[in-house]
Amino acid sequence: GENVEQHPSTLSVQEGDSAVIKCTYSDSASNYFPWYKQELGKGPQLIIDIRSNVGEKKDQRIAVTLNKTAKHFSLHITETQPEDSAVYFCAAFRGGSEKLVFGKGTKLTVNP
Amino acid sequence: EAGVAQSPRYKIIEKRQSVAFWCNPISGHATLYWYQQILGQGPKLLIQFQNNGVVDDSQLPKDRFSAERLKGVDSTLKIQPAKLEDSAVYLCASSLDNEQYFGPGTRLTVT
Repeated sequence: GENVEQHPSTLSVQEGDSAVIKCTYSDSASNYFPWYKQELGKGPQLIIDIRSNVGEKKDQRIAVTLNKTAKHFSLHITETQPEDSAVYFCAAFRGGSEKLVFGKGTKLTVNP
Repeated sequence: EAGVAQSPRYKIIEKRQSVAFWCNPISGHATLYWYQQILGQGPKLLIQFQNNGVVDDSQLPKDRFSAERLKGVDSTLKIQPAKLEDSAVYLCASSLDNEQYFGPGTRLTVT
């Protein structure tokens, strides 16, 4: 089955800096890769996603890149703000299995 | 558009007791999921419904966990009897196409 590895597990940056979180997946048939932000006491919130027919997608300060050959995908947050502090999860979805497999999460802390 | 609703938000029970969680998905979403999220980990799928049928329950501990979605809308997840290791946040999600939207979760503490 699918296995998703996520790094780093914790990340601390200064306000205004960029943050990058990386994930790898094992199943080459996976075709949808969402990213979720989870704040304390809340459920995961979908912030951006990318499908396997696209290499990069951007939405304001966040962007996601996908390298299908290497089975890597990454989340990039620019101009970080304290409200970006949260746990971020990557996930991979394989059509057919209809199952979303999550990474273990990255705790991002943005220091003012 | 209203999001996924879950109740209760918090529950504390003793081991060997039973507990039930309720979920109301986003209107029109045919697929409903229950996840278990242990502290410090990503959500783990317990069961997936498509309308009122089970698509995947391979990771549901069926000796103690059960779930139903009788009319293809609301769903309940039950644990009976609970064990200490069941302490976790139980998340419900619903989807249209691949995009899954999560509820706030129910934090269960088993003492």
